[in-house]
Amino acid sequence: QLQLQESGPGLVKPSETLSLTCTVSHASISRSNDNYYWAWIRQPPGKGLEWIGSVYYSGKTYNNPSLKSRVTISVDTSKNQFSLKMFSVTASDTAVYFCASERSDTAQGLVSRYFDLWGRGTLVSVSS
Amino acid sequence: SYELTQPPSVSVSPGQTASITCSGDELGDYFVSWYQQKPGQSPILVLYEDIKRPSGIPERFSGSNSGNTATLTISGTQAMDEADYYCQTWDTSTAWDVFGTGTRVTVL
Repeated sequence: QLQLQESGPGLVKPSETLSLTCTVSHASISRSNDNYYWAWIRQPPGKGLEWIGSVYYSGKTYNNPSLKSRVTISVDTSKNQFSLKMFSVTASDTAVYFCASERSDTAQGLVSRYFDLWGRGTLVSVSS
Repeated sequence: SYELTQPPSVSVSPGQTASITCSGDELGDYFVSWYQQKPGQSPILVLYEDIKRPSGIPERFSGSNSGNTATLTISGTQAMDEADYYCQTWDTSTAWDVFGTGTRVTVL
């Protein structure tokens, strides 16, 4: 069973860069026979879910336009990991950050994309 | 940007049916997925492609999607179903994933 585990600092200073890594276990991140993307999603304390972006094993990315200019998502197939960098963070970036596998299919002529497995999440606080 | 709106809260008695709506412009033209999140846990997928249940999800979870509204229905609601529920879709026109605002289901 595929597993995902987030890792990275739990505290980041304002204006600095948040860096997180998600390690994928028991499956190859380069599963080219399946249409899987690898995604980052966050949840501020007491609030809802916000999609940050998704990356394919080839490096192709889709990003939330509200964060796009501050976010880089990349994949390292040799380590079976994908990463998130968020620049110039502020207190409003304080959240639990989840990594997830995102299935992409086409059915009945429609695009289907959904997050079938999630990591446990890691709390990142932005504070001086 | 595309928005999905859910009621903040739904209350249901044990054994009764809970219906959670998710509204968006012409949402019926997209596939919708639903996630259950209990306090302190990561979300789990309970429905995808409007009506399909992943392995291990009880049959009491069902869904529909038409017009501007998708609905998650929990039949014979149990205390263990008390959680936050989020809908989600992929906006093809903009290539974004979008989550709904979330609904807290309370089993009284």
